[in-house]
Amino acid sequence: GENVEQHPSTLSVQEGDSAVIKCTYSDSASNYFPWYKQELGKRPQLIIDIRSNVGEKKDQRIAVTLNKTAKHFSLHITETQPEDSAVYFCAASKRGKLIFGQGTELSVKP
Amino acid sequence: GAGVSQSPSNKVTEKGKDVELRCDPISGHTALYWYRQRLGQGLEFLIYFQGNSAPDKSGLPSDRFSAERTGESVSTLTIQRTQQEDSAVYLCASSLGGRGITYEQYFGPGTRLTVT
Repeated sequence: GENVEQHPSTLSVQEGDSAVIKCTYSDSASNYFPWYKQELGKRPQLIIDIRSNVGEKKDQRIAVTLNKTAKHFSLHITETQPEDSAVYFCAASKRGKLIFGQGTELSVKP
Repeated sequence: GAGVSQSPSNKVTEKGKDVELRCDPISGHTALYWYRQRLGQGLEFLIYFQGNSAPDKSGLPSDRFSAERTGESVSTLTIQRTQQEDSAVYLCASSLGGRGITYEQYFGPGTRLTVT
């Protein structure tokens, strides 16, 4: 079955710096790749997603890139702010169900 | 409109007891998913319902776990003879649906299950 690996598990940056989180997936048939942000004690919230027919997608300070050949995708957050501090999860899907990575705890220091 | 709701928000039960968790999806969402999140870990897929199709049960960890869905509305996840390793937050999500197409999944607030 599908397996998703996510790195790093923790990431600390200074406010204003960029943050990059990387994921690899095993099933080449996966075609949908969302990223979720989860604040402590709250539900996961979708922040951006990308489908396999697109290589890059951007939404303000957040961007996601997908390399289907290498089976990896990355989340890029620019101009980080303290409110970006949270756990971020990547996921991969081909038929509805999401297979999640283990999460990255991002800490943005003011 | 109303989001995904789950009840109860917290459940403490004794080892060996059965528990039932409830999920109310967003109206009009034909797809419904259950995930489990152990403390400090990622989300594990449990089961997926899509319309009237047979559910995808491939993530259920043992035969103590089962789930039902009434049409395209409420779902219940039942855990029989609970064990301490069942302690986790159980998250429900719903989405628009169609076999072979994945839409954005909206998560409920979760049920925190503690087995003592």
